[in-house]
Amino acid sequence: NAGVTQTPKFRVLKTGQSMTLLCAQDMNHEYMYWYRQDPGMGLRLIHYSVGEGTTAKGEVPDGYNVSRLKKQNFLLGLESAAPSQTSVYFCASSHPGRDLKGGFHNEQFFGPGTRLTVL
Amino acid sequence: GENVEQHPSTLSVQEGDSAVIKCTYSDSASNYFPWYKQELGKGPQLIIDIRSNVGEKKDQRIAVTLNKTAKHFSLHITETQPEDSAVYFCAPRGQFYFGTGTSLTVIP
Repeated sequence: NAGVTQTPKFRVLKTGQSMTLLCAQDMNHEYMYWYRQDPGMGLRLIHYSVGEGTTAKGEVPDGYNVSRLKKQNFLLGLESAAPSQTSVYFCASSHPGRDLKGGFHNEQFFGPGTRLTVL
Repeated sequence: GENVEQHPSTLSVQEGDSAVIKCTYSDSASNYFPWYKQELGKGPQLIIDIRSNVGEKKDQRIAVTLNKTAKHFSLHITETQPEDSAVYFCAPRGQFYFGTGTSLTVIP
């Protein structure tokens, strides 16, 4: 049981190049997320998906596209990379639910991250 | 969207002392309140959470308290150890919006 995996771990791009980050989970989770992490800014949501074939914009979606063709995979694409997209990217998955007392819960499981540098 | 504030941004404590991190939020509909720990070079990992129908939860040396009226919840770590050194994030609602993080350093 690998949990959440991300490919690649590191990447250096030149301005204007494109690339795709791959996230895979083997926990049969419905929800998947892409975040970026920058110093002093915590985690910011880029896009998310609540199920196969569906995607939605998060807080900082500009310059990114996503696809969820299979339940276990969530792809993040950069069509024309910019230096402002230099960041660490984290994928996460979750399966929201309610406990026996009706309390909502939604633990997110994170991948190890991809460090992207755009020159 | 949710406005999340986390304080302090950095915290240094002596080993054995207690540490408290506070998270305030704006969305009164928030009903799930987790805390995540991120060790260097890794992704965040859930360490404790509390649901809206509970005011406090404790798990060994860590605890979370919730004040829904004031819209804040706090992480309490007692008898701190060097391995508690990490960055901690709150995430009201459990998704979408995270606090900006607190870097905790436990000095041996």
